[in-house]
Amino acid sequence: AQKITQTQPGMFVQEKEAVTLDCTYDTSDPSYGLFWYKQPSSGEMIFLIYQGSYDQQNATEGRYSLNFQKARKSANLVISASQLGDSAMYFCAMREYTGNQFYFGTGTSLTVIP
Amino acid sequence: SQTIHQWPATLVQPVGSPLSLECTVEGTSNPNLYWYRQAAGRGLQLLFYSVGIGQISSEVPQNLSASRPQDRQFILSSKKLLLSDSGFYLCAWSWGMNTEAFFGQGTRLTVV
Repeated sequence: AQKITQTQPGMFVQEKEAVTLDCTYDTSDPSYGLFWYKQPSSGEMIFLIYQGSYDQQNATEGRYSLNFQKARKSANLVISASQLGDSAMYFCAMREYTGNQFYFGTGTSLTVIP
Repeated sequence: SQTIHQWPATLVQPVGSPLSLECTVEGTSNPNLYWYRQAAGRGLQLLFYSVGIGQISSEVPQNLSASRPQDRQFILSSKKLLLSDSGFYLCAWSWGMNTEAFFGQGTRLTVV
């Protein structure tokens, strides 16, 4: 079974609008971490935001926030006030605390339209 | 501060030739190390990870192997490349249970 599922291969958003990128995960480990990365066309992987399974509050980092719904096993990334530079691939990832592996989804390609 | 170096940035190799990609981490000790492969337009597939010198775990059977001869050095190898080995290879490191993975700049490998 897939550990991380990203069902949106591509998304478009108007500049200055907000956009939500979906991510669901599958684990039986009670302790885990969820991560979002941005990959521009250059290929580098840029860490955006982290959410721990025991964190009570949704994580926020500037224009990025993570909508964590533990019962639904979802960890959606919300980007507010989209900018042209936000156009990139976005990957959701999970690390179970019983293991050392980071599992990644297939990614969502975001295009910001001026 | 910690840095990760991965080289070369691009590589074109003929089918059947050997491969050696190197990754080193500076500024930390005993990191977890990872090799990922990304096919064009696809997600990241975990190939190998290591929690210590000489300790290698393989996630998928394949034509590749990994070694960790020193604490902060991780090497991806192949004796004979296949066309299907083409892709973007990323090395990463992490430390601790609730910290992110830090990635190198990647190697674009084309097997011809």
